[in-house]
Parts: sequence; structure tokens; C-alpha cells
Amino acid sequence: GQNIDQPTEMTATEGAIVQINCTYQTSGFNGLFWYQQHAGEAPTFLSYNVLDGLEEKGRFSSFLSRSKGYSYLLLKELQMKDSASYLCAVARGSSNYKLTFGKGTLLTVNP
Amino acid sequence: DADVTQTPRNRITKTGKRIMLECSQTKGHDRMYWYRQDPGLGLRLIYYSFDVKDINKGEISDGYSVSRQAQAKFSLSLESAIPNQTALYFCATRGGAGKDEQFFGPGTRLTVL
Repeated sequence: GQNIDQPTEMTATEGAIVQINCTYQTSGFNGLFWYQQHAGEAPTFLSYNVLDGLEEKGRFSSFLSRSKGYSYLLLKELQMKDSASYLCAVARGSSNYKLTFGKGTLLTVNP
Repeated sequence: DADVTQTPRNRITKTGKRIMLECSQTKGHDRMYWYRQDPGLGLRLIYYSFDVKDINKGEISDGYSVSRQAQAKFSLSLESAIPNQTALYFCATRGGAGKDEQFFGPGTRLTVL
């Protein structure tokens, strides 16, 4: 089976930096995704890591350590619009993989 | 126009009724998925299909069935709806192998009274 853990809620201030952690236990690991989801809306893709290291994309970066079963999403220069849930999802299997999602981290950005 | 559409967007029904949720996509993807989302539980996979002739159960398929009518269409049915099937339902699609992400539809909010 799989176990994916991420904090339930986080709060940060506009302009600051926040790091959202995700730990996982799985076999057949085939990559880790981060999605953003605003309340009542569809999840939207943020990042994908399959190799160890940091992937940077604008204000958002994602890090992966496969040996530790650990990832984080780093959000810089926080804006009010970044208030949303952030979902960590682990892909398992071959090319026809399925995703297993964590329960999500609700981030609130305060002025 | 949206690449992944779901109908209806909202539905209120009564216990015991049969309900069908529909998903259509114009992305040309082979892989399609149905998830439900409940507060505090995250997204959970109900069924998935890798092509028209391939249907697979996810982690919570009991009480649900699906039909892949064409590459572009994947329907989810609740044969006899019950209140604990009240949730937000998402359809998603994915293209080829590798790092391709899943693209989600806008969701259907279903309430079973």
C-alpha cells in the first residue's frame, strides 16, 4: 500500500516564503506531482519530480529525495492568490501509472 | 473551450436513485480517471481506463460503475445512490507515458439526500 503525509494546514504572510512537506512510503515509485487546488475548483498541475533534486519554476520550486521518501514544495514571494490547497501525489507503476493523493495542505496567506 | 468537461456541475438527488455523471475530453488522451473528493480525505480513485477496452477498479469502486463509450467519453454511474456518496467528483485525463500530468475537469458536486 501507500502512505502519503502532508500537514493539514499552514499559514503564512504575503511576501514570505513557505515550504510544504510531503513524505511517502510506496513501492514502484514513478514520480511525485504537486497540484494546486482553490476551493471548489479543479486541481491544477504545478510540478513533477522523478529524480532527486530541485525543480524550479518561477516562484514555485519542488524538491525530491527518493531515498528519504520526501518532497517539498517551496513557494516564494507569497501572494494572496496562493491561498489554496496543495496536493502531493505519488505515481506508482509503469507508463500506465495511477496517482495516489495525499489529503492536501490548506495554505492561508495573510496580508 | 475547456479540454475536460463534466455534466452536470451540480446535482441533488434522493437515496435509491440512479445517477450518471458524464465526462468528455478534447485532448485526445487515452487514459481517463474518476475521483471523489471529501473534506479531510483528499482525492480517491474510483475507476480508471487506459483505453476504450480497458476498465479498472480504483481504491473505492463499490457502489459505482463506469462506461467508456469512446476515447473521449467516460461516464460514472451510481446505481442506487446513498447519502455517503455525497461528494465532489472529478474526472481526469492523461496523455502518454512519462511525466505527463493528469488534467482535471471542473468537478460535479453531488448531494444525496
